[in-house]
Amino acid sequence: SYVLTQPPSVSVAPGQTARITCGGNNIGGKSVHWYQQKPGQAPVVVVYVDTDRPSGIPERFSGSRSGNTATLTISRVEAEDEADYHCQLWDPNSEHSGVFGTGTKVTVL
Amino acid sequence: QVRLHESGPGLVKPSQTLSLTCTVSGGSILSGGLYWSWIRQHPGKGLEWIGSIYYSDITYYNPSLKSRLTISVDTSKKQISLKLTSVSAADTAVYYCARGTGGSWNWFDPWGQGTLVTVSS
Repeated sequence: SYVLTQPPSVSVAPGQTARITCGGNNIGGKSVHWYQQKPGQAPVVVVYVDTDRPSGIPERFSGSRSGNTATLTISRVEAEDEADYHCQLWDPNSEHSGVFGTGTKVTVL
Repeated sequence: QVRLHESGPGLVKPSQTLSLTCTVSGGSILSGGLYWSWIRQHPGKGLEWIGSIYYSDITYYNPSLKSRLTISVDTSKKQISLKLTSVSAADTAVYYCARGTGGSWNWFDPWGQGTLVTVSS
């Protein structure tokens, strides 16, 4: 099964860029999705299939991929971006089909 | 716009069965290829995928919960249910239902607001 590892925390000043990585073994052939979760709220998808952004999500959110590591980039960070971020992948052929990353707390300084 | 709403007891005694229902509104539960799913979050922790049901009868379960878990769909009521037997304090968490978009890359959107279940005597 997959293990998706994220840094526990990332701190960034307003207006700067935050990068959150999601690394896993043998995930090269799988797409990664990213969720934002604010305190007391359900997660919301901000990037899907590595790089696509749902309607209504600011262009400041972007995803990229290199081998076994996916990255969520938040450009021109705003105070409202302070939240937990989780990566996720799906493999229906694996015994453990749904996998979430360990989660990253983004703090806006 | 599809909306999901979880309901069920907020307190369950150890060794008993946790039963939750997710009611779908604003859309069809019969749309092909969707993975209706349950996900939980232990207090202060990350997200844990519990399981998913596909085409009303194909289930995918987290191996660590599989022996205690049943997920089913009632299409007439537009509900997805979760039953987890022999619960312990380790099952205390916020439980979310979510719609998996389907396909090879399945992601979860939207989510319900979540319901906190505490396992305690």
